[in-house]
Amino acid sequence: ETGVTQTPRHLVMGMTNKKSLKCEQHLGHNAMYWYKQSAKKPLELMFVYNFKEQTENNSVPSRFSPECPNSSHLFLHLHTLQPEDSALYLCASSPHSASSYNEQFFGPGTRLTVL
Amino acid sequence: AQKVTQAQTEISVVEKEDVTLDCVYETRDTTYYLFWYKQPPSGELVFLIRRNSFDEQNEISGRYSWNFQKSTSSFNFTITASQVVDSAVYFCALSEVTGANSKLTFGKGITLSVRP
Repeated sequence: ETGVTQTPRHLVMGMTNKKSLKCEQHLGHNAMYWYKQSAKKPLELMFVYNFKEQTENNSVPSRFSPECPNSSHLFLHLHTLQPEDSALYLCASSPHSASSYNEQFFGPGTRLTVL
Repeated sequence: AQKVTQAQTEISVVEKEDVTLDCVYETRDTTYYLFWYKQPPSGELVFLIRRNSFDEQNEISGRYSWNFQKSTSSFNFTITASQVVDSAVYFCALSEVTGANSKLTFGKGITLSVRP
């Protein structure tokens, strides 16, 4: 247990559906991250939040919409996805987003399949 | 731009063999941190070690050891007397501070299979 939980663990959705991924951290951290992990590719950083403010959007398509209501919770709202969006979506947290010293703590991920 | 290369993609060993996972990095920063993470089948990445760019001492933790060589920009990871539970994907990562954020650049990962 890393102190970061994600729900659901698995999600299958059609291209016209709207769904949301949820991440919660119990570590008292101030920074939260969304990553996309596709097969045979490095982890891709999608979004960074620091003290609830978005500080990074790594050119992510608008069909992915993040929300961070507080430092402990992070959502990723999904709509009109494409099959190539199928991947493992990982959430992570760290004490502060600006520190290169701190390791990030990862959740178990949501395995998303878009039909 | 930073880059992390894990040239090995899949390694298969028999239990009790030693195995070394290679990591080569590129950065123009003088101060940086290197990390290794383990991703078991359950999915979450588990932090294993952090090393800063000024500390080239090798580190040993139980069956795990790490060899950091700045001259060759490498940060290799050795598992001694491997066990089936070591089967996982292992990622090397490099951190940099750009703008407001510190970013982790990951390699593609090495899938290690340890057979009984």
